[in-house]
Amino acid sequence: AIQMTQSPSSLSASVGDRVTITCRASQDIRNDLGWYQQKPGKAPKLLIYAASSLQSGVPSRFSGSGSGTDFTLTISSLQPEDFATYYCLQDYNYPYTFGQGTKVEIK
Amino acid sequence: EVQLVESGGGLVQPGGSLRLSCSASGFTFSTYAMHWARQAPGKGLEFVSVISTDGLTTYYAGSVKGRFTISRDNSKNTLYLHMSSLRAEDTALYYCVKEGVWFGEFSAFDYWGQGTLLTVSS
Repeated sequence: AIQMTQSPSSLSASVGDRVTITCRASQDIRNDLGWYQQKPGKAPKLLIYAASSLQSGVPSRFSGSGSGTDFTLTISSLQPEDFATYYCLQDYNYPYTFGQGTKVEIK
Repeated sequence: EVQLVESGGGLVQPGGSLRLSCSASGFTFSTYAMHWARQAPGKGLEFVSVISTDGLTTYYAGSVKGRFTISRDNSKNTLYLHMSSLRAEDTALYYCVKEGVWFGEFSAFDYWGQGTLLTVSS
């Protein structure tokens, strides 16, 4: 199975900060990667698909980049509603695998 | 509006069985692959199983292969997960997930249900 290594596992940031989360795949997954946001007690929400395509309705401060093995989720200016846990997911082959998650907390 | 509503969770003894259901609405159910994912309390997300649109192709995570069976009834817009030989480590919130497809090539989990909780304990 493809392993997804996500970092950092947690971070503290202030409103307005630029935040970057990375995911590294154990093999080439082209651009078959999505990013998800999960708030406490809620189901995950799709933010980015195909590594860099913004899902409809998601604010433009979220962006994704990368291909092959290295991927990045960037929040250009952190907003209060962005404090959550973020996961990457490779959908290149089965079993699909998630990163371990990054909890974004208020500084 | 797409809705995925899971049901069937509960408390089961180790070694027991249970069937989860997911009722889908707001989209043409028969034209999308569907998944189950899970999340143990306080832990991350884990892919469990996927089923193709026609129900003929399935895939399972190694941790559940041979114990779980995914199925669907397109006439009822319902997804199922039959679970047997349950273990304490199967305790989790089980999500029903729709796989969206863009441009006939790119896929992702575009809609999630709210989940149904399975607790395996004696």
